[in-house]
Order: sequence, then C-alpha cells, then structure tokens
Amino acid sequence: QVQVVQSGGEVKKPGASVKVSCKASGYTFNNYGISWVRQAPGQGLEWMGWVNPYNGNTNYVQKFQGRVTMTTDTSTNTAYMELRTLKSDDTAVYYCAIDSPQDSSSSLYWGQGTLVTVSS
Amino acid sequence: QSALTQPASVSGSPGQSITISCTGTSSDVGGYNLVSWYQQHPGKAPKLMIYEGSKRPSGVSNRFSGSKSGNTASLTISGLQPEDEADYYCRSYAASNSFGLYVFGSGTKVTVL
Repeated sequence: QVQVVQSGGEVKKPGASVKVSCKASGYTFNNYGISWVRQAPGQGLEWMGWVNPYNGNTNYVQKFQGRVTMTTDTSTNTAYMELRTLKSDDTAVYYCAIDSPQDSSSSLYWGQGTLVTVSS
Repeated sequence: QSALTQPASVSGSPGQSITISCTGTSSDVGGYNLVSWYQQHPGKAPKLMIYEGSKRPSGVSNRFSGSKSGNTASLTISGLQPEDEADYYCRSYAASNSFGLYVFGSGTKVTVL
C-alpha cells in the first residue's frame, strides 16, 4: 500500500530556511506528481506548488516564486520542499500530497504533515 | 484572484442531507471539470472525497456526491452521520499566473447537530 512519510517538525528563526522531506513508497514514484500544501494555524488549505518526479518540472504559486524550491530524488523516492527567507506568517503545517492515479488534478495520498514554526 | 468561496459553516441533524457550495470563476471552477473535494478532521491530513467534480475514490461512501453548475461546484452529504463532522475544502484546477495550477476553497465547517 502507498505510504507517505514526512520529516519532523522544525523551529526556525525569521530569515532562515527550512527543507521538508516527503518519502513515498508502495507505487512507482516517477509516475505521479507531488503537490505541497500548507495550513496556517486555524486557517484553510493553501496550495503552494507541484513537482513532477519524472522530469523535475515545477509549478509554483506566484507568491512563493523566488522563495521556494521543490525537488525530488528518484533514487530514494523522496520529495523536498525548501522555503527560504522565512517570516512569522510562514508558520504552518506543510503537507505533501501525491496525485491520484485516476485523476492527476486531485491529491489522493497525503503525508502526515510537518509543523514549521518561525519565531525569534 | 482569491480562494474559491465556500460558506464558513453548514450544519444538519443525523440522517439529513446538506450541500456545500464552492464558487469560483470561469477561469477555474467554470472552465474545467476538475474540482476535487477534501475532508479534514482536526489534527489530521485531508482526505480526498470527490475528484473530477463527481467521481468517488475507492472506499469513499456513496453518501458523498459532487456536482457543478456554471462557476459553482457543490458537495452533497446524504444521510449525515456524526463522523461526517469535519472541515471540507474544494479545490479547482486554475492554471493562472498568480495561483499556479490549483486553488483551494476557503473551507466549510460541517457540524452534525
């Protein structure tokens, strides 16, 4: 069965960077894209971007462009999301989500979430 | 461009039916048949409930159904049960310069009375 396991929580100071990992298993990693979604405390879901493990193509929300990098390592079936120049309002739970095999526009498998806290 | 608009809260008694709306524009909801719906219980990751507007993934109860009319998508929960109490989010393909590929709705808290 498909499993998606994310790295543990992080505490960072403003201006620092964070890199969250997302290790997938139970399917052919190259075949399905991976979205990154975040959720600030008490707030809704926000789609941040997407990476294609097959060719490394990415698509980012404009507000994060220049500050985010999404990559994959096909040798370890792991996706990464790096967010730089952190601000206090980047405090959120960050999720990775795997495209559905039936419909690439939806996310079927989700990681457990990684809490990133930005505080001085 | 803002997130898709959903009602903040919807409630119903056990056994009743409720409908959650998700209103966008012709550039997202109205332009594509690519709306998905997610259920999220407190402290948990979202769960896919509906994809391509009206299709259910394997294992999702047939009490959940989706539809679309114009720029508004809807999720209907029939025979409401206590375990349906959760937050629900729609998501649509958007492919815009500012939003990227996808945009989420603002979220709806469903309360089972």
